[in-house]
Amino acid sequence: QKEVEQNSGPLSVPEGAIASLNCTYSDRGSQSFFWYRQYSGKSPELIMFIYSNGDKEDGRFTAQLNKASQYVSLLIRDSQPSDSATYLCAGSSGGYNKLIFGAGTRLAVHP
Amino acid sequence: NAGVTQTPKFRILKIGQSMTLQCTQDMNHNYMYWYRQDPGMGLKLIYYSVGAGITDKGEVPNGYNVSRSTTEDFPLRLELAAPSQTSVYFCASSHGQSYNEQFFGPGTRLTVL
Repeated sequence: QKEVEQNSGPLSVPEGAIASLNCTYSDRGSQSFFWYRQYSGKSPELIMFIYSNGDKEDGRFTAQLNKASQYVSLLIRDSQPSDSATYLCAGSSGGYNKLIFGAGTRLAVHP
Repeated sequence: NAGVTQTPKFRILKIGQSMTLQCTQDMNHNYMYWYRQDPGMGLKLIYYSVGAGITDKGEVPNGYNVSRSTTEDFPLRLELAAPSQTSVYFCASSHGQSYNEQFFGPGTRLTVL
């Protein structure tokens, strides 16, 4: 059974702090990983994707991938209350851009 | 560009009824997907399609059927609805190249009583 695991949270951080979200995956064949943000009652929207070992930065967001440890993370710098949402980690699975999703980590940024 | 659209937004079904969830995309994407999301859970893939006339099962296909007669449309059919099918259903599409993101529709919230 291919799985992507996340801590469900909630992860509570003060405004302006760094939020660190983590994800592990079981399928060593997964090539690419996606972080989606989902506000309550809304559909997922892509934040970042990563497919090479190391870090990838985009504005306040940094994705990190360690294929040897089967570990993916998302760092959010200068967290804002508007970042409060559930963050879904997903790994590619079996071609055709199919994804296996984790259950998500709920992030709460408090003023 | 409307992106991915889904209808209806909400629906209540009685046990044993049938319905079709509609999904349309206007991005000329080859790949389309149906997911369900139960409370506090991630998305589970029900069915996917890689082009008109080509569909395949995902992780949780039982109780559902799909068809894809055009590039734009990918309807999901529920036959003999059961309470276990109460969920939020998302349709998504992807261009078909490697590492391409999936774009999601707004979802359909279905309750089976």
